[in-house]
Amino acid sequence: QVQLQESGPGLVKPSETLSLTCAVSGGSMSPYYVSWIRQAPGKGLEWIGYIYFSGNTNYNPALRSRVTLSVDTSKNHVSLNLMSVSAADTAVYYCARHEAPAASWFDPWGQGTLVIVSS
Amino acid sequence: DIQMTQSPSSLSASVGDRVTITCRASQSIRNFLNWYQQMPGKAPKLLIYTTSTLQSGVPSRFSGSGSGTDFTLTITNLQLEDFATYYCQQTYSTRWTFGQGTKVEIK
Repeated sequence: QVQLQESGPGLVKPSETLSLTCAVSGGSMSPYYVSWIRQAPGKGLEWIGYIYFSGNTNYNPALRSRVTLSVDTSKNHVSLNLMSVSAADTAVYYCARHEAPAASWFDPWGQGTLVIVSS
Repeated sequence: DIQMTQSPSSLSASVGDRVTITCRASQSIRNFLNWYQQMPGKAPKLLIYTTSTLQSGVPSRFSGSGSGTDFTLTITNLQLEDFATYYCQQTYSTRWTFGQGTKVEIK
């Protein structure tokens, strides 16, 4: 059974770069997509972007200028970098797998990791 | 981007009730609409995909319907474990968007 697990620093200073990793276990990354989704405290879900196992990416236009996703299939993990963070980027960050760039669904999800942006 | 609007934002119901949550898209998304359930402090869980297909293991008291711009999630015979927040999601476009969520609370 495929499982996803997010990891990374729980505290990031304003203006710095948030870096998280999503480890995929129990299955191959091929031929799947992995998306990142975030949820600010008490708020709804916001899709950040996805990456295909081959490295193709698609980002939320609202975050595109600050987001980079990368994949390492040898390590079975996907990385998220979000630059120039502010308090508005404080959220639980989830990764989730899907089978297509559209007409698909997120399953499974990782458990999520809370990132707080504060000095 | 396609905007997804859920209603109501919250509702109170009793065990055994029938509950209906509505999700409206700002343009037609055909049937590319998914529903997720989120318990407090937990990751969302896929309930229904492509409008009406139940994910494996999801109880049959959950059902989904709709097409185009208007969709519904119905829970019949509401159980204690169903009190949660529910999100719709469109995947018609390659820029995926969610509804704002509907919190189902115990009356």
